[in-house]
Amino acid sequence: DIQMTQSPSSLSASVGDRVTITCRASQSISSYLNWYQQKPGKAPKVLIYAASSLQSGVPSRFSGSGSGTDFTLTISSLQPEDFATYYCQQSYSSPRAFGQGTKVEIK
Amino acid sequence: QVQLVESGGGVVQPGRSLRLSCAASGFTFSSYAMHWVRQAPGRGLEWVALLSYDGSNKHYADSVEGRFTISRDNSKNTLYLQMNSLRAEDTAVYYCARETGRQWPSFDYWGQGSLVTVSS
Repeated sequence: DIQMTQSPSSLSASVGDRVTITCRASQSISSYLNWYQQKPGKAPKVLIYAASSLQSGVPSRFSGSGSGTDFTLTISSLQPEDFATYYCQQSYSSPRAFGQGTKVEIK
Repeated sequence: QVQLVESGGGVVQPGRSLRLSCAASGFTFSSYAMHWVRQAPGRGLEWVALLSYDGSNKHYADSVEGRFTISRDNSKNTLYLQMNSLRAEDTAVYYCARETGRQWPSFDYWGQGSLVTVSS
């Protein structure tokens, strides 16, 4: 089974900061990598699919990059509504494993 | 609009069974693979099970293999998760999610979640 490892597990940032979250797969997954945002008490929401494609309706300050085993989610200018937990997920094979999550908190 | 609504959660004793349902609307249910994902209190997301659009292909997480069964009734636009031999560690919010039909799949719609608590 493919394991997904995110870093960091949490971070503190200010509004306007550039934020980067990384995700590593235990084996190559090509570009089969998705990023989700989850706010407390809510279902996750897909932000990025295919490693770098922006889901319809998602602000352009979110971007994704990478292929193979190493991936990055970047928020170019953090907004108040972006404080949440972010998960990566591989869709290369089953089980469709998620990373352990990165909580983005207000500094 | 696309809607997924879970039901069937509640409090159940260890070793007992429970069946979750996920009612779909606003799209052609029979054309999409569906998943169950769970989240234990204060923990991250855990993928649970996958069912192909026609029910022919199923996959399970190791943690539920042999105890949980995913199924669907395309005539009723409903996805199910039969959970047997429940354990305390199965306590979680259970979400159903639709997998996109594109080449690079993701979960584009999710239900609101149904809380399952396994406790004596």
